[in-house]
Amino acid sequence: QQQVKQSPQSLIVQKGGISIINCAYENTAFDYFPWYQQFPGKGPALLIAIRPDVSEKKEGRFTISFNKSAKQFSLHIMDSQPGDSATYFCAASYSGGYQKVTFGTGTKLQVIP
Amino acid sequence: EPEVTQTPSHQVTQMGQEVILRCVPISNHLYFYWYRQILGQKVEFLVSFYNNEISEKSEIFDDQFSVERPDGSNFTLKIRSTKLEDSAMYFCASSLGQGINQPQHFGDGTRLSIL
Repeated sequence: QQQVKQSPQSLIVQKGGISIINCAYENTAFDYFPWYQQFPGKGPALLIAIRPDVSEKKEGRFTISFNKSAKQFSLHIMDSQPGDSATYFCAASYSGGYQKVTFGTGTKLQVIP
Repeated sequence: EPEVTQTPSHQVTQMGQEVILRCVPISNHLYFYWYRQILGQKVEFLVSFYNNEISEKSEIFDDQFSVERPDGSNFTLKIRSTKLEDSAMYFCASSLGQGINQPQHFGDGTRLSIL
């Protein structure tokens, strides 16, 4: 019940295209859904986050869509660039858990010129 | 921008030996965490630490693991008797508070290799 499922495992997108990564969760106690970006040799870095009372959040080229009834959320990267090539993790946490972050399995994104 | 720093970047240790991984969290942060990432797998929570005590730990964090904040700046993870399966990337993180607007900031990790 603590799992966060993520797909696809890997994704290749043409420069300028839209990258879409999907996640699903089971634990309805989760109340914070961050996305992390990880470059090789680096730690995860917070990219964008959403709360379940909001259906969409946009920051620049990055948008999270959230479907509370389906317990699903997704990351859309518009106008994908080669510099976006990284591993992306969706995650979830809940206020009562000292912000322990439960990570998805990760999606390795490659944006080709 | 303040960063979480971890040392060493790579630690090689013989099985059965003790290892200490070190972290310097962001200076005004109050909550501290350790995560690990086995090669090719997801990042897994190990332990959270607040007010000089463990606030939550996962089933991975057994008696072989311990954490300490020996002074006002360092946060350490000790593995008493390392096993081959402890080989992983270990990430330290810190946050200012507990609320949902208090994101965790991660260090770049220590790669632990057990021989």
